[in-house]
Amino acid sequence: AQSVTQLDSQVPVFEEAPVELRCNYSSSVSVYLFWYVQYPNQGLQLLLKYLSGSTLVKGINGFEAEFNKSQTSFHLRKPSVHISDTAEYFCAVSDRSWGKLQFGAGTQVVVTP
Amino acid sequence: DTAVSQTPKYLVTQMGNDKSIKCEQNLGHDTMYWYKQDSKKFLKIMFSYNNKELIINETVPNRFSPKSPDKAHLNLHINSLELGDSAVYFCASSPGASGTYEQYFGPGTRLTVT
Repeated sequence: AQSVTQLDSQVPVFEEAPVELRCNYSSSVSVYLFWYVQYPNQGLQLLLKYLSGSTLVKGINGFEAEFNKSQTSFHLRKPSVHISDTAEYFCAVSDRSWGKLQFGAGTQVVVTP
Repeated sequence: DTAVSQTPKYLVTQMGNDKSIKCEQNLGHDTMYWYKQDSKKFLKIMFSYNNKELIINETVPNRFSPKSPDKAHLNLHINSLELGDSAVYFCASSPGASGTYEQYFGPGTRLTVT
């Protein structure tokens, strides 16, 4: 069984400031890791994913995440946020067979001027 | 071009009614999913079909019945609706059933049971 913990339910941040969203997971088997974003009243969109290889993963819209196997973490970062980054961010893990995504509870990012 | 579409976008109905939500994808994907997002934004998978075959069936009341008439469509029928069924239901698709694939989500159907 897998589980995902997003350590912050809400992160307020000023425009052009950096942001980090924390995600920890637990699993008895190897998993794939994802970050999805949900803009208000929309479906989810993939930001980035980690399958294997380099532990630093770059995604869309200037986001990146670092996989840390020893700490079972997959934190998401952006060096400078825009107002348009205001959204809900979900960390997720997937088993390697059937693509069954297990989501964290989400982190709401609110960017203010 | 809409990749994953759902109808209706909003659905308001009374307890005890039966309703359906339809999902279509034009991406040529083999695998489709239904997720439920509750009022606290928590997302949970309900079902998945791969080439019209059920491959994931989570602990969901049997009042919920998915149907996949072809690879491009996955519908969700709900019998005897209850207040607790109020949620946003998302359909998603991916190229295949492997966990490596990105899932593409529809815009959601907000179901309100009164």
